[in-house]
Amino acid sequence: DTAVSQTPKYLVTQMGNDKSIKCEQNLGHDTMYWYKQDSKKFLKIMFSYNNKELIINETVPNRFSPKSPDKAHLNLHINSLELGDSAVYFCASSRNLAGANNEQFFGPGTRLTVL
Amino acid sequence: KNEVEQSPQNLTAQEGEFITINCSYSVGISALHWLQQHPGGGIVSLFMLSSGKKKHGRLIATINIQEKHSSLHITASHPRDSAVYICVVSGGAQKLVFGQGTRLTINP
Repeated sequence: DTAVSQTPKYLVTQMGNDKSIKCEQNLGHDTMYWYKQDSKKFLKIMFSYNNKELIINETVPNRFSPKSPDKAHLNLHINSLELGDSAVYFCASSRNLAGANNEQFFGPGTRLTVL
Repeated sequence: KNEVEQSPQNLTAQEGEFITINCSYSVGISALHWLQQHPGGGIVSLFMLSSGKKKHGRLIATINIQEKHSSLHITASHPRDSAVYICVVSGGAQKLVFGQGTRLTINP
């Protein structure tokens, strides 16, 4: 069974569209994360949720809105997509907050291409 | 200057060589993680450590809290070890800071 799954794996869309990426974990973890990996392969944290509550919200445009319907899911919705949003987006989960020394498990990534 | 610096940024070696990747950080941390990103893009957590040394198979990770430095070693390197290795520190207030990654290529 996949521990952290993301859908879709690939997403190609036009500028200006709104799209969502879904993430689910079946590990019983309390904390989930969204990361963006740009073309230079640099990973940056975007959001962190703990028990459905927003914990970390790094400086990202407010076009990005995470939604956590329950603690096993953390979806990422992006409005008015821009060319610069093209990247690979990784979801991850950990037993609880990263500062409490917990290993993170990563999803396979979603490659978003904005044309 | 980044809060987490990795060296080298790129490393090419021959199969069988002993590999060392370094990570230095300037922030207070509660733990340090080493991640491996395969050429296909998947990310795997290799180690999480807050002191001393850990070993998994041919991989060894060490950390020196006083010197704010960690090393990842690979013994008897193999082409399948070719990947990007990323150092991540977790500090107070759930802050996560990533190194820029080290791209390792092991030639047969």
